[in-house]
Amino acid sequence: QKEVEQDPGPLSVPEGAIVSLNCTYSNSAFQYFMWYRQYSRKGPELLMYTYSSGNKEDGRFTAQVDKSSKYISLFIRDSQPSDSATYLCAMSPRRGGSEKLVFGKGTKLTVNP
Amino acid sequence: DSGVTQTPKHLITATGQRVTLRCSPRSGDLSVYWYQQSLDQGLQFLIQYYNGEERAKGNILERFSAQQFPDLHSELNLSSLELGDSALYFCASSVGLGPQETQYFGPGTRLLVL
Repeated sequence: QKEVEQDPGPLSVPEGAIVSLNCTYSNSAFQYFMWYRQYSRKGPELLMYTYSSGNKEDGRFTAQVDKSSKYISLFIRDSQPSDSATYLCAMSPRRGGSEKLVFGKGTKLTVNP
Repeated sequence: DSGVTQTPKHLITATGQRVTLRCSPRSGDLSVYWYQQSLDQGLQFLIQYYNGEERAKGNILERFSAQQFPDLHSELNLSSLELGDSALYFCASSVGLGPQETQYFGPGTRLLVL
């Protein structure tokens, strides 16, 4: 079983839709959870960062972590064509462990005008 | 623009050859990370340096090596290249250590091994 599983999609939605992106993981040591956005032919950029369980909101984006289920989600409200990109979840063990990030394979999202 | 630069943008070479990829981190960042991104494996962590010292190793092959120089730029050396090494290679940098540090990614080097 891979450490991080992410449905690769592709996911295609109309403009204005609510998008839900998800990852599951197997390593209970993961404490830091991130979502990166990668536009075509560009490097990933950090969108959201959450420590341990709970929700975090930033504008149209909400990140949720459920450690009991080993499941993380990213919600995008009022999706825009500019949100079309590949979304990668990433996670890392607690501070003091390795700083390396383990990434999901990414979900490709297209928002149609 | 993340502030991380990588050269070259594209590289085409033959099997058995050796190449060097170069990364300049953001000003003030001491940590440099190297990643490989392929369609089948996704984004895989290779190695991390912090202020010139190797800090963490991931799925880096023995044919690959890296170093970080006193001016903090880093190079990733890939030798005895195989077809399967064709991928996007990203460098990222962060200010310090720790998984809570934001990693800023460069634009990547696209390597094609023929």
